[in-house]
Amino acid sequence: AQSVTQLDSQVPVFEEAPVELRCNYSSSVSVYLFWYVQYPNQGLQLLLKYLSGSTLVKGINGFEAEFNKSQTSFHLRKPSVHISDTAEYFCAVSDRVSGGSNYKLTFGKGTLLTVNP
Amino acid sequence: GAGVSQSPSNKVTEKGKDVELRCDPISGHTALYWYRQRLGQGLEFLIYFQGNSAPDKSGLPSDRFSAERTGGSVSTLTIQRTQQEDSAVYLCASSPTGARYNEQFFGPGTRLTVL
Repeated sequence: AQSVTQLDSQVPVFEEAPVELRCNYSSSVSVYLFWYVQYPNQGLQLLLKYLSGSTLVKGINGFEAEFNKSQTSFHLRKPSVHISDTAEYFCAVSDRVSGGSNYKLTFGKGTLLTVNP
Repeated sequence: GAGVSQSPSNKVTEKGKDVELRCDPISGHTALYWYRQRLGQGLEFLIYFQGNSAPDKSGLPSDRFSAERTGGSVSTLTIQRTQQEDSAVYLCASSPTGARYNEQFFGPGTRLTVL
């Protein structure tokens, strides 16, 4: 079974500062990794995903994440945040559903990013 | 196009009552998932439907929880004899086949409060 640890439950930063949200996962033979964002009163939206290939993945809204197999990490970064980035961010790992071609997700507990002016 | 929709958006019920939560996936998506998000917790997988295959129910927390998917589209999650610990946001997601099969599209959720 997969597991995901998001080390920080809350991260407050000032506008235009860089940010890193940390995510570690349990190892598996075949690992697919995701970051989702949940804006206030909205559903989850995919930010980016790592399936294979380049370990540096770029997503929407200027976010990127780097897959590090040796450290079993998939930290999310943005060089300069905006007020509008205030949201909860969830790291997730795929776990193959038996007999199916789609993948159920195991989520971390989330990190609340608060961007202050 | 239209995203995943869920109804109701909020549901308040009394302990012991049954509730039904509805999910309308994106048209043409073959896979449908239910997750539960308790306060301060990550999302917990509940159940997965894929086409006409038997659902994966491995995440359902007790036999009070059940779900069905009619005609490969709309899904209903039913919780019988609700308990206070069932209070949570219930999220539905769907995903397509093809190149984006591993991307799940989430609905806005149903917030269930059991008094």
